[in-house]
Amino acid sequence: DAKTTQPPSMDCAEGRAANLPCNHSTISGNEYVYWYRQIHSQGPQYIIHGLKNNETNEMASLIITEDRKSSTLILPHATLRDTAVYYCIVGRNFGNEKLTFGTGTRLTIIP
Amino acid sequence: GAVVSQHPSRVICKSGTSVKIECRSLDFQATTMFWYRQFPKKSLMLMATSNEGSKATYEQGVEKDKFLINHASLTLSTLTVTSAHPEDSSFYICSARPGLEGYEQYFGPGTRLTVT
Repeated sequence: DAKTTQPPSMDCAEGRAANLPCNHSTISGNEYVYWYRQIHSQGPQYIIHGLKNNETNEMASLIITEDRKSSTLILPHATLRDTAVYYCIVGRNFGNEKLTFGTGTRLTIIP
Repeated sequence: GAVVSQHPSRVICKSGTSVKIECRSLDFQATTMFWYRQFPKKSLMLMATSNEGSKATYEQGVEKDKFLINHASLTLSTLTVTSAHPEDSSFYICSARPGLEGYEQYFGPGTRLTVT
């Protein structure tokens, strides 16, 4: 069963910030929020992850609500190369914990 | 970031033959590797989890005798599709996780298998 809910598709203008929402209302206290993306016909790429604090790296920012029931991935200045399917996944951070991919959000960057 | 390679990137084989796909972690040791399958316009589906030196753990519905997984070293796992049939045609992707902690998995570029 999917633990996350994402919109199936989104468009964003090139150069603008892309904000991708994810609902994970059943997340438990020791579960992290992970984001991956998959560009067409390639393997998924790790983007960012967080537990409860907001996180930022060279690719994106992750904003997690205080109740941790939802989060937003922000690509600050979207480019055409950011067109991909983005997956939000929750899970624990140890052992053989496996990733369960949902259907993700197909983000299309419009020139 | 960590790099995972797969070989071959594409393979076409005849029905009834076997195909081996290699997954290598190039700059780190992977205690755990995962194998996924992805059909067109579908999400990734986990097939099995393999740990170096032990038997793979298969997901429900995945035939272990058909999809043989060997994780002989900390940098190499192989998936062999035995007696392949056209319905096995798919995009096979491996991933590797360095160490026992950390949820970051690094994915290979995938192998496109076509069975004729």
